[in-house]
Amino acid sequence: NAGVTQTPKFQVLKTGQSMTLQCAQDMNHNSMYWYRQDPGMGLRLIYYSASEGTTDKGEVPNGYNVSRLNKREFSLRLESAAPSQTSVYFCASTNPGANTGELFFGEGSRLTVL
Amino acid sequence: AQKITQTQPGMFVQEKEAVTLDCTYDTSDPSYGLFWYKQPSSGEMIFLIYQGSYDQQNATEGRYSLNFQKARKSANLVISASQLGDSAMYFCAMRENNAGNMLTFGGGTRLMVKP
Repeated sequence: NAGVTQTPKFQVLKTGQSMTLQCAQDMNHNSMYWYRQDPGMGLRLIYYSASEGTTDKGEVPNGYNVSRLNKREFSLRLESAAPSQTSVYFCASTNPGANTGELFFGEGSRLTVL
Repeated sequence: AQKITQTQPGMFVQEKEAVTLDCTYDTSDPSYGLFWYKQPSSGEMIFLIYQGSYDQQNATEGRYSLNFQKARKSANLVISASQLGDSAMYFCAMRENNAGNMLTFGGGTRLMVKP
């Protein structure tokens, strides 16, 4: 059972470089989310996708773009990385109408921007 | 404005005692869900308990219970009989069902269980 898979797990970038974080889920979930977690802090919502074909900004969308490629995949792109984007990024998915609609999380992607 | 507020950055509890972690929320959506997650030092997010806004009874799940006070907009987590393995970060979260299922987290509470 793969659940939610994020790649890469670790990445070091230089300021100004671009990269894409990939996320895929195999649970047939409708909704997918990208969060960032800075050291000692909570998760802040970057973007989310309630269903295939829709995306919405969360609390901290600046500097990021997303693509809901299909029902399974939801990618997060940093066009021009900045040191302030150094963080751990979590992808998550859920079916809100299911029993509890709990979020299922990936293992996280640790990004360092120098 | 913060949607989810956890006012206790850190808490200590003696092993085998009960502890309450506070969470207040802010929404105008009549349909919402409240969640608690545990994050141990290893970093994974572990789902603990869920409360729907229309649920009449407080949710319980083993040693975890959720003290849901809708009028006060609070959803406190109660952990009974604390164990050393309960030491972790705890996050409260809310999903607003009529806002595209937007799901936001509070800043967390670090719980430390003393032997």
